[in-house]
Amino acid sequence: QKEVEQDPGPLSVPEGAIVSLNCTYSNSAFQYFMWYRQYSRKGPELLMYTYSSGNKEDGRFTAQVDKSSKYISLFIRDSQPSDSATYLCAMSVTGGSEKLVFGKGTKLTVNP
Amino acid sequence: SAVISQKPSRDICQRGTSLTIQCQVDSQVTMMFWYRQQPGQSLTLIATANQGSEATYESGFVIDKFPISRPNLTFSTLTVSNMSPEDSSIYLCSGALGYEQYFGPGTRLTVT
Repeated sequence: QKEVEQDPGPLSVPEGAIVSLNCTYSNSAFQYFMWYRQYSRKGPELLMYTYSSGNKEDGRFTAQVDKSSKYISLFIRDSQPSDSATYLCAMSVTGGSEKLVFGKGTKLTVNP
Repeated sequence: SAVISQKPSRDICQRGTSLTIQCQVDSQVTMMFWYRQQPGQSLTLIATANQGSEATYESGFVIDKFPISRPNLTFSTLTVSNMSPEDSSIYLCSGALGYEQYFGPGTRLTVT
């Protein structure tokens, strides 16, 4: 079993849809959970990070962590064509100052 | 946040040669890392670049193949030595600032 599992998609939605992206993990020691957005031929861009369980909202983006189920989600409301990218989940035990373990990424296309 | 640049952005190299990739950060980050991103795969950590001392390598990566330097808090290099086609990949450097980790745009390497 891989440490972090992420459905690679691809996922195609119409503009304005609510998008749900998910990852599961096996290491219960993970405490920090990140979501990165990666446009084609660019480096990953940090969208959000969350510590432990709970929700965090930033504009149209909401990150949820359920440590009891070892499951994290990223919701995108009112999706826009500019949201078309690959979304990577990543996690670590002590935060960004150590190795991040990544999912494979989900490729999202938002159609106008 | 931190802004990270990498040089070169891409290169095509011949089998058996070496390439050195440079990474420059605009802030004094605590930690710097080098990752590899292969098509359809997760980002995989190659090593942690330690300032003024030898890098810490992940399982499956060795210093002779991927020598790394970090002479100060804002600069690091990764050399891919004695290249083979299997080394064709995107190489990314990252820097940690607090609990967050920021990535450069990547170096796209093709070995022929």
